[in-house]
Amino acid sequence: DAGVIQSPRHEVTEMGQEVTLRCKPISGHDYLFWYRQTMMRGLELLIYFNNNVPIDDSGMPEDRFSAKMPNASFSTLKIQPSEPRDSAVYFCASSLWQGTQYFGPGTRLLVL
Amino acid sequence: KNEVEQSPQNLTAQEGEFITINCSYSVGISALHWLQQHPGGGIVSLFMLSSGKKKHGRLIATINIQEKHSSLHITASHPRDSAVYICAVSPQGGSEKLVFGKGTKLTVNP
Repeated sequence: DAGVIQSPRHEVTEMGQEVTLRCKPISGHDYLFWYRQTMMRGLELLIYFNNNVPIDDSGMPEDRFSAKMPNASFSTLKIQPSEPRDSAVYFCASSLWQGTQYFGPGTRLLVL
Repeated sequence: KNEVEQSPQNLTAQEGEFITINCSYSVGISALHWLQQHPGGGIVSLFMLSSGKKKHGRLIATINIQEKHSSLHITASHPRDSAVYICAVSPQGGSEKLVFGKGTKLTVNP
């Protein structure tokens, strides 16, 4: 299996622009997680899905952030409008129920 | 206070040394995870445990549920073990979410 796939790997954008991050989970995994990592706060859960349904979005910072999972093999995390404080590494991970989480390589986002 | 505390924050060792990284947590958990993040940024799950001890190669993870404490040990450390080691817990209650510690940065010098 190719593992969890994320795109793009790097994104540089200007404040106010829309940013869309993409994730393809491991085939057969029914849980998908979006995390954000910063130097100050470490790793934080933003949202997770089970069978394409959002289960816990309490970590989504504000209305500028939205996540969707239209099918079992694809999810997006969108930031609109982006701000410099959104600069971070965003990880997607997938798992089976109560299983090991497998992380993607991350998307390094820089908002100028 | 963070729900998951790790110590030390930074650790420097000489090749061959025995290394211990500690993790304490304050909530009831269903499982504890140890993750490894190399300088390139990728995150790999090392262990998931809910009791006792697990061993994989030179890595050993232990957990004491009563004391809410876990340790990650590395025997015969090697420069390639240099990475950030992150402790995370799955809180009780059926949620699949992880709560993370801040990580321990390990540097092993040759």
